[in-house]
Amino acid sequence: GAVVSQHPSRVICKSGTSVKIECRSLDFQATTMFWYRQFPKKSLMLMATSNEGSKATYEQGVEKDKFLINHASLTLSTLTVTSAHPEDSSFYICSASEGWSNQPQHFGDGTRLSIL
Amino acid sequence: GESVGLHLPTLSVQEGDNSIINCAYSNSASDYFIWYKQESGKGPQFIIDIRSNMDKRQGQRVTVLLNKTVKHLSLQIAATQPGDSAVYFCAEREGNQAGTALIFGKGTTLSVSS
Repeated sequence: GAVVSQHPSRVICKSGTSVKIECRSLDFQATTMFWYRQFPKKSLMLMATSNEGSKATYEQGVEKDKFLINHASLTLSTLTVTSAHPEDSSFYICSASEGWSNQPQHFGDGTRLSIL
Repeated sequence: GESVGLHLPTLSVQEGDNSIINCAYSNSASDYFIWYKQESGKGPQFIIDIRSNMDKRQGQRVTVLLNKTVKHLSLQIAATQPGDSAVYFCAEREGNQAGTALIFGKGTTLSVSS
């Protein structure tokens, strides 16, 4: 089955640090990947849609200069949280779908980001 | 115990009972729906999906019902087990392209006691 791998699973760093999170589709090619953010006991909120070879599409209210997305290949998308601050602490999750027709999105196991 | 009708943030059942988790979706143009299970500290795990041209679909121990008239989706879990304890989310999508994002509903925390 389709597997999405996310790395790292947990990051703890000081305020002002930039953090890169990787999302890989291990056994399929993903033209599009998605990045979500989840606060404790809340639902997943879509941050951006990552398109291979082009600019990401950000949801309203998401700062594109704060959350840099790069989708350089059909199996890898990265999310960089630039100059992270405590309010950026959250659970970040990526997902991808295989193929073009109705297929469920498969999710990585998330990255727990804690900014001190 | 079972819960039918309104969305509840939590649902507690006894092992062996049937569980029903409800979801109201917002976009009448949505035509693809998925139920996910999320365990603590992990990403959502696919359970079952349904397209808008269907009103019922069955999997192993799970059934999804879709009522487009009232924009309501439900997940039925038969013979609920302690391993089913998790947060369950419904998600909707407009269009049949894999490049379209899912929009998630509010989750329901299912607690199964043995």
